[in-house]
Amino acid sequence: AQSVAQPEDQVKVAEGNPLTVKCTYSVSGNPYLFWYVQYPNRGLQFLLKYITGDNLVKGSYGFEAEFNKSQTSFHLKKPSALVSDSALYFCAVRDGNYGQNFVFGPGTRLSVLP
Amino acid sequence: DAGVTQSPTHLIKTRGQQVTLRCSPKSGHDTVSWYQQALGQGPQFIFQYYEEEERQRGNFPDRFSGHQFPNYSSELNVNALLLGDSALYLCASSLILNEQFFGPGTRLTVL
Repeated sequence: AQSVAQPEDQVKVAEGNPLTVKCTYSVSGNPYLFWYVQYPNRGLQFLLKYITGDNLVKGSYGFEAEFNKSQTSFHLKKPSALVSDSALYFCAVRDGNYGQNFVFGPGTRLSVLP
Repeated sequence: DAGVTQSPTHLIKTRGQQVTLRCSPKSGHDTVSWYQQALGQGPQFIFQYYEEEERQRGNFPDRFSGHQFPNYSSELNVNALLLGDSALYLCASSLILNEQFFGPGTRLTVL
């Protein structure tokens, strides 16, 4: 069965500093990995995905993520944080060999301080 | 191009009642998945519909049922509502192997 861990409930960074939101996963087949962002009282917005290919994936709004197979991690990063990046971030995994349902992590609340 | 739409936006029900939530997928998408997101938690997979059939199901009781119509839209039905069913219900549409696009959700409150 798939599982996702986001070890930090909350991450705080100063505006302009780099940010990292951590994610580790467990899946029996090939991992398909995703990051979503959720603003208050809204649905989830897709940021980026890793299916295959380059381990560094670039996505929306300047975000990127690095797939590390040996560490089973898929950390979300951004070189320079904006106050408007403050939101709830979810990592999700899907087993590429079976099924289509996504398993989501518990979420990490990112606060970017002005 | 409209994204995923859901109705209603908010809903208040009492224990024991039944509720139906509706979802229209993004244009061109044929697969609809439903998720329950309790306050402060990540979305939990309920089930997925493709070609009008339930293809996969998460760990939810039979009180949760669904349907997909020929135009790919979908309904989520919950019978015998419990207080614990209060949550944001998210619908997501996709094509196989691709990312899921989420609707804004329906906030269900059970009193």
